[in-house]
Amino acid sequence: QKEVEQDPGPLSVPEGAIVSLNCTYSNSAFQYFMWYRQYSRKGPELLMYTYSSGNKEDGRFTAQVDKSSKYISLFIRDSQPSDSATYLCAMSADTGRRALTFGSGTRLQVQP
Amino acid sequence: EAEVAQSPRYKITEKSQAVAFWCDPISGHATLYWYRQILGQGPELLVQFQDESVVDDSQLPKDRFSAERLKGVDSTLKIQPAELGDSAMYLCASSSRLAGLAGANTGELFFGEGSRLTVL
Repeated sequence: QKEVEQDPGPLSVPEGAIVSLNCTYSNSAFQYFMWYRQYSRKGPELLMYTYSSGNKEDGRFTAQVDKSSKYISLFIRDSQPSDSATYLCAMSADTGRRALTFGSGTRLQVQP
Repeated sequence: EAEVAQSPRYKITEKSQAVAFWCDPISGHATLYWYRQILGQGPELLVQFQDESVVDDSQLPKDRFSAERLKGVDSTLKIQPAELGDSAMYLCASSSRLAGLAGANTGELFFGEGSRLTVL
């Protein structure tokens, strides 16, 4: 079993919809949780970063972490066609080491 | 804007041949990572450098893969001989030396555009 599980999708939604993306993990030592966005044939870019449990909001994006359930979510409000990409959750346990463990990514398609 | 530079962007090679990828991290970033991303999967760490030293190469297939960062700046990842299963995107990333305080920019890896390898 992988340390980080993520539904690969694809997920297709109409423009303006609310999108919910999720990951579960098994390593209770994970403390740092990130969401990366990856456009086709490009490298991943950091979208959201959260430390420990709680919520974080940035514009149309909200990241939630529930460490008791080992479950993290990314919500996208008023989704746009430009949001069409693969979304990767990533997490790490040790800031000193700082290498990230990634989920497999969820491919999102927002239809205009 | 500072970027992580990688070359080549695309490489097609035959199995048993040697291949090399180059990465130039963001200036001043002490930590450099090589990840491999197979199509439809998330990136998996191959090797991590802190300056010129290897911090973690536990997932690097050392019988055929090697990585170096001789002067603690740019880095080269080599595969010899290449196998069909090596077809993937090879991503280089870097991060700064800043301490991991809660709320700080901890964990942000800046990725390059990747080198896509196809082994025939």
